[in-house]
Amino acid sequence: DGGITQSPKYLFRKEGQNVTLSCEQNLNHDAMYWYRQDPGQGLRLIYYSQIVNDFQKGDIAEGYSVSREKKESFPLTVTSAQKNPTAFYLCASGISGGGTGELFFGEGSRLTVL
Amino acid sequence: AQSVSQHNHHVILSEAASLELGCNYSYGGTVNLFWYVQYPGQHLQLLLKYFSGDPLVKGIKGFEAEFIKSKFSFNLRKPSVQWSDTAEYFCAAVRPGGYQKVTFGTGTKLQVIP
Repeated sequence: DGGITQSPKYLFRKEGQNVTLSCEQNLNHDAMYWYRQDPGQGLRLIYYSQIVNDFQKGDIAEGYSVSREKKESFPLTVTSAQKNPTAFYLCASGISGGGTGELFFGEGSRLTVL
Repeated sequence: AQSVSQHNHHVILSEAASLELGCNYSYGGTVNLFWYVQYPGQHLQLLLKYFSGDPLVKGIKGFEAEFIKSKFSFNLRKPSVQWSDTAEYFCAAVRPGGYQKVTFGTGTKLQVIP
């Protein structure tokens, strides 16, 4: 079954701790994205990557970091510098470089900072 | 900056009522447009999309949307809603081709009362 797998589904962390959210896709897509979803604010782009070993900051990149060492994987680290990390995080993938922009989403990871 | 606006944040309808959700975008030139839906507890999925051609596009579950270039709008419609349409709906836009990021609106929560 082709798709996007995010883990963990729920995560709790203490203030001051870094946490890494996993995103894996087997759709053979070049582009991968991380969005943050907050009530009333829709989806805001954190980081995106159009190709392996390259990524760009989105609209709210501060306090987050990513890597793209493999085509299939695009992990997101929420660092202690992120002032309000409690949120629902969505990973997506799509075809880049001439693609239509259609995105395929994972089921999300809900992070709660205690 | 490119943006997508959804003016209805929360809509409550009775079953069999007609639905229209507004979406406006600020892109100049060619744009690809999407409506995504997030049912409770499920991942975001594509409802319908517009790339070119007939400005009236049909999607899954009886939904349709009309692209009106002069109004920069892509409103979502359904003649008769069902309780199962209760969900959050997101409009999205992207400039096709190249390495473009997808921009989402803030979402509209639809609640259908039986």
